[in-house]
Amino acid sequence: DSGVTQTPKHLITATGQRVTLRCSPRSGDLSVYWYQQSLDQGLQFLIQYYNGEERAKGNILERFSAQQFPDLHSELNLSSLELGDSALYFCASSVGPGGPSQETQYFGPGTRLLVL
Amino acid sequence: QQQVKQSPQSLIVQKGGISIINCAYENTAFDYFPWYQQFPGKGPALLIAIRPDVSEKKEGRFTISFNKSAKQFSLHIMDSQPGDSATYFCAASIRTGANNLFFGTGTRLTVIP
Repeated sequence: DSGVTQTPKHLITATGQRVTLRCSPRSGDLSVYWYQQSLDQGLQFLIQYYNGEERAKGNILERFSAQQFPDLHSELNLSSLELGDSALYFCASSVGPGGPSQETQYFGPGTRLLVL
Repeated sequence: QQQVKQSPQSLIVQKGGISIINCAYENTAFDYFPWYQQFPGKGPALLIAIRPDVSEKKEGRFTISFNKSAKQFSLHIMDSQPGDSATYFCAASIRTGANNLFFGTGTRLTVIP
């Protein structure tokens, strides 16, 4: 158990809908990362938050957004869902934003999203 | 463009054998190279990691070999066990930058008894 929690575990929804995925980082970790895992794209970085502030963006679609709250939990919002958004979404956390001894990322169990 | 290239895609090894997975990268700014193990239905779990100031790191049966000049690194699993059957991902990041991980495409390892 990595200490990172994600809810829900599974999510089934229809095209055009909006969903919210939730992540709680390990105790003491200030940085949260979101990754998408799909069969055709593999594991891809979406976005990073550090202590409530957006720090880095990867291949995140404009239909997707995220935020990190004062209690450090994070939410990933996916809107206008398409069939191709079906994937596993992972949250990871690390102590800091990066740098020596702060780089290790611990992954949660993921949310499996199925868009029908 | 895949920033970290991983091979082979799949690997079958006899119990007790050595499993070797290779990765290569282009971006010389990468300064942190972890390996993750993922079982079906689970999140990636950190296995072992190396920084470019050393050429080898060993933890139990797992060893990372790192060749900075060739921009390659590999994972060796000694005395492979059926319980090691999983998908392995290499990754790289720039610790002083965004620290986001760039993953390889994964290797599905099957260890047969």
